[in-house]
Amino acid sequence: SQQGEEDPQALSIQEGENATMNCSYKTSINNLQWYRQNSGRGLVHLILIRSNEREKHSGRLRVTLDTSKKSSSLLITASRAADTASYFCATADAGNNRKLIWGLGTSLAVNP
Amino acid sequence: SAVISQKPSRDICQRGTSLTIQCQVDSQVTMMFWYRQQPGQSLTLIATANQGSEATYESGFVIDKFPISRPNLTFSTLTVSNLSPEDSSIYLCSAARQGAETQYFGPGTRLLVL
Repeated sequence: SQQGEEDPQALSIQEGENATMNCSYKTSINNLQWYRQNSGRGLVHLILIRSNEREKHSGRLRVTLDTSKKSSSLLITASRAADTASYFCATADAGNNRKLIWGLGTSLAVNP
Repeated sequence: SAVISQKPSRDICQRGTSLTIQCQVDSQVTMMFWYRQQPGQSLTLIATANQGSEATYESGFVIDKFPISRPNLTFSTLTVSNLSPEDSSIYLCSAARQGAETQYFGPGTRLLVL
């Protein structure tokens, strides 16, 4: 199966700074989703952006999608120590939107 | 949202044995999935658990190694058989409701095979 790629693989910032993570994918998609995982535990859904949307906001999160470049970015503004986690993008294939294809993840450390 | 529990949360097993992981959802869901996440890696879908019928396995995963049951809409089990150290991983259960595009995840089962 194809996987998205995230960059950077690891990111370390100070509290209050913004964090930007990028995700690229290979196939035509129905939607792209971002999830957070704390310390190897279960994943929590953060935000979903559909293929016909270009930008979406949810609280301190901003997601963009560029289908021509097959890429997305997740911006976390005014980061907090509690944002420390791994962040994964997942794409729902245009032909089968029940099955998610997962990126490699970005490990974010927010230092107090 | 849906709350998903998994048992056990972690286990240490000897090679050649098997481990069965249980996944319980607090409400009826249409889809249930089993993933493997190797240390520091992303998620790999093992199979989709189908209620009352055989699971749908992804390429590279077979029923003999990863038998799955789903007797009803809220419960599923994954067995990892004939364990080897390469099976050491986190196993995650997820679920999705009818028509929903997002998945809810259980807390995962951390398996170490010696």
